[in-house]
Amino acid sequence: EAQVTQNPRYLITVTGKKLTVTCSQNMNHEYMSWYRQDPGLGLRQIYYSMNVEVTDKGDVPEGYKVSRKEKRNFPLILESPSPNQTSLYFCATGHSGANVLTFGAGSRLTVL
Amino acid sequence: GQQVMQIPQYQHVQEGEDFTTYCNSSTTLSNIQWYKQRPGGHPVFLIQLVKSGEVKKQKRLTFQFGEAKKNSSLHITATQTTDVGTYFCAHSSSWGADGLTFGKGTHLIIQP
Repeated sequence: EAQVTQNPRYLITVTGKKLTVTCSQNMNHEYMSWYRQDPGLGLRQIYYSMNVEVTDKGDVPEGYKVSRKEKRNFPLILESPSPNQTSLYFCATGHSGANVLTFGAGSRLTVL
Repeated sequence: GQQVMQIPQYQHVQEGEDFTTYCNSSTTLSNIQWYKQRPGGHPVFLIQLVKSGEVKKQKRLTFQFGEAKKNSSLHITATQTTDVGTYFCAHSSSWGADGLTFGKGTHLIIQP
């Protein structure tokens, strides 16, 4: 079954404690991206990757890091989380040139 | 990426009434996509439009791309409770440049 898997789905953490949200896809998609969703602000792109070892900043990259060492995985790293990073995070993937995204189920993060 | 504005932000309708959401840009768009997010769920791709004046239908849903490629609309005929959710438009300036930029979405609330 084609899917995009995010973990964890829910996380409550404290300010400054490094965390990683993983994203894995089994569709051989070249393109992977991270979005955050906040009430009234819609979906905002954090980082994206066009292929292995290629990553670019989206609209709201501050406080986040990503890596793309393998085609199937695109982890989102919060080195020192702060309360303003409390949000619902989505990983999304697609074939390059197709413009169509498949989203993961989402990861709800709370930073106290 | 260039911003797109969606209106209205919220729409309450009685079941059976029609519903329309609009997506507007100040500049020409190369493409427009529509996604639906059910409450508690993740965005799901509905359709992509690329041609000036294009109209596509999916059962009770009609999608249009303006002649000038600066606006788009999604119209639902005779809404049903299963239509509840948030509808997002999205676009990319060119694949490989900045990924997808989403509008803030229209929340459709249906009263039985």
